[in-house]
Amino acid sequence: QVQLVQSGAEVRKPGASVKVSCKASGYTFTTYGITWVRQAPGQGLEWMGWISPYNGNSKSAQKVQGRVTMTTDTSTSIAYMELRSLRSDDTAIYYCARVTLIAGAGKNYNFDFWGQGTLVTVSS
Amino acid sequence: DIQMTQSPSSLSASVGDRVTITCRASQSISTFLNWYQHKPGKAPNLLIYAASRLQTGVPSRFSGSGSGTDFTLTISSLQPEDFATYYCQETYDNYPTFGQGTKVEIK
Repeated sequence: QVQLVQSGAEVRKPGASVKVSCKASGYTFTTYGITWVRQAPGQGLEWMGWISPYNGNSKSAQKVQGRVTMTTDTSTSIAYMELRSLRSDDTAIYYCARVTLIAGAGKNYNFDFWGQGTLVTVSS
Repeated sequence: DIQMTQSPSSLSASVGDRVTITCRASQSISTFLNWYQHKPGKAPNLLIYAASRLQTGVPSRFSGSGSGTDFTLTISSLQPEDFATYYCQETYDNYPTFGQGTKVEIK
């Protein structure tokens, strides 16, 4: 069965970096994209970006552009999201999810399987 | 950027009630619209994709409709496990946007 298992909770000081991992299993890793979504305390879901494990192409949301790097290791089926220059408003639960193209629907896609989430706390 | 506006932001309902949540896009997005359920401490769960297609394993009491700018998620008979926050998501371009969420609470 498809599973995405994320690394554990992290605490960082402002200005530091954090790297969250997401290990995929149960499917061919290079066939689907991986996306990252976060939820700050009391807030809604915010899309951060995505990466194609097939060719390494990635896109990120304007809000985190320049601070986020998404990578994948196809030999271990692990995706990584690194966020730099952390601020207090980066405190959130970070989720990875699989991106699935919908058959027969052009470029339509969805996020069909999700990791369990990783809490990142930024505090001095 | 495409903006997604959900209404209401929250609602109170009883078990067995019919519940309707709406989502409006700032521009036409055809049927590039998904719905997710999110419970505290859990990962979001895909319910509906392409506006009206039921994800495998999701109970048939959930349904979606709409196209263009106006979309609806309906729960035909609310069950205890349905109390959660629901999000719409547009996937019209490569920068997907979520609505702000609708929290469904017990009356």
